[in-house]
Amino acid sequence: KNQVEQSPQSLIILEGKNCTLQCNYTVSPFSNLRWYKQDTGRGPVSLTIMTFSENTKSNGRYTATLDADTKQSSLHITASQLSDSASYICVVRNSSASKIIFGSGTRLSIRP
Amino acid sequence: DGGITQSPKYLFRKEGQNVTLSCEQNLNHDAMYWYRQDPGQGLRLIYYSQIVNDFQKGDIAEGYSVSREKKESFPLTVTSAQKNPTAFYLCASKGAGYSNQPQHFGDGTRLSIL
Repeated sequence: KNQVEQSPQSLIILEGKNCTLQCNYTVSPFSNLRWYKQDTGRGPVSLTIMTFSENTKSNGRYTATLDADTKQSSLHITASQLSDSASYICVVRNSSASKIIFGSGTRLSIRP
Repeated sequence: DGGITQSPKYLFRKEGQNVTLSCEQNLNHDAMYWYRQDPGQGLRLIYYSQIVNDFQKGDIAEGYSVSREKKESFPLTVTSAQKNPTAFYLCASKGAGYSNQPQHFGDGTRLSIL
């Protein structure tokens, strides 16, 4: 069954600290994996996309990793800012069904 | 600026009433999508359209209907048959032909029951 599991469900950290969010998937065959940021009451915005051959990709203070063998991805946020408070959603595309599967997200809160 | 506009931001439905959520995009995208977002769950696909005058059911289409008469517009009607309509509804669009292109989302409509 095609599934995307994210952990933790929620996370609170102090401003300036680093954190790592996890995404495990069972989607097969794999096409790509995307991380979205969703601010409260807004639509998701794409942060980065990982394809099968990519291990690491950065977008400013956000760094995504992909291990296609273990079917795991992580999103690392460096030197967190208050504006990083949001839900982070992992989305995996199934290449044969041309279907995307959404994780339920990690709710990140940054405290001053 | 190019983007997707959803309206209204908040909507209230009475028992037995149909309500329509608007979604307009000026990105010249062929594909458009409607999702439902509930707390603690991933986005679930309601309907999608790859081209004007054509649309397909998603995973949870029961109690919903759509139309695609124009490329720019993809309205969603929540009918009285949808018994649990309270949710955050997101519309998205995507350019055709490139699986690595992201879906662009609107800022959603929050629907509640009166």
